[in-house]
Amino acid sequence: QKEVEQNSGPLSVPEGAIASLNCTYSDRGSQSFFWYRQYSGKSPELIMFIYSNGDKEDGRFTAQLNKASQYVSLLIRDSQPSDSATYLCAGDTGFQKLVFGTGTRLLVSP
Amino acid sequence: KAGVTQTPRYLIKTRGQQVTLSCSPISGHRSVSWYQQTPGQGLQFLFEYFSETQRNKGNFPGRFSGRQFSNSRSEMNVSTLELGDSALYLCASSFRASGRIDEQFFGPGTRLTVL
Repeated sequence: QKEVEQNSGPLSVPEGAIASLNCTYSDRGSQSFFWYRQYSGKSPELIMFIYSNGDKEDGRFTAQLNKASQYVSLLIRDSQPSDSATYLCAGDTGFQKLVFGTGTRLLVSP
Repeated sequence: KAGVTQTPRYLIKTRGQQVTLSCSPISGHRSVSWYQQTPGQGLQFLFEYFSETQRNKGNFPGRFSGRQFSNSRSEMNVSTLELGDSALYLCASSFRASGRIDEQFFGPGTRLTVL
């Protein structure tokens, strides 16, 4: 079992809809979680991080963390075609060691 | 502020050779982490350096090594290259030495192809 699991997708949503990306983790030692966006052929770009239970909002993005269920999610409101990318969830296990999921491919259709 | 830079961007080597990749972190960042990204395994942590000391290491063979210089620039070396080492090698830098949150920012990567 991988330490961080994501559905590979693709997740297809129409423009303007809410995209919901999910991630589960097995290492209870992970304290903080990161969402990265990666366009094809590019390096990962940090969207946001979360370390407290609950929701954290940043513009069109909302990260949610539930430590009891070992579950992290990312909501993208008003999805745009430019949001089409692979979204990577990562847990920090200490000393900057991020453990990544395999990523969920998001497709936003006009 | 300039981002993380990596050189070279592309590299072609043959089996058995060795390779050295370089990473310059964002100015003021003292921690540098290295990752390998392949289609099959995704992003995997190689190692992390802070103040010229390796603080953490992933599950890679000893052929993979690294170091960090006093100016925080880092290099990683892969000896006796194998076909399976073909991958995108990513470097990430972060600012704080400790604390709960340390955002990592990735460089553009070095695409290594082993023939």
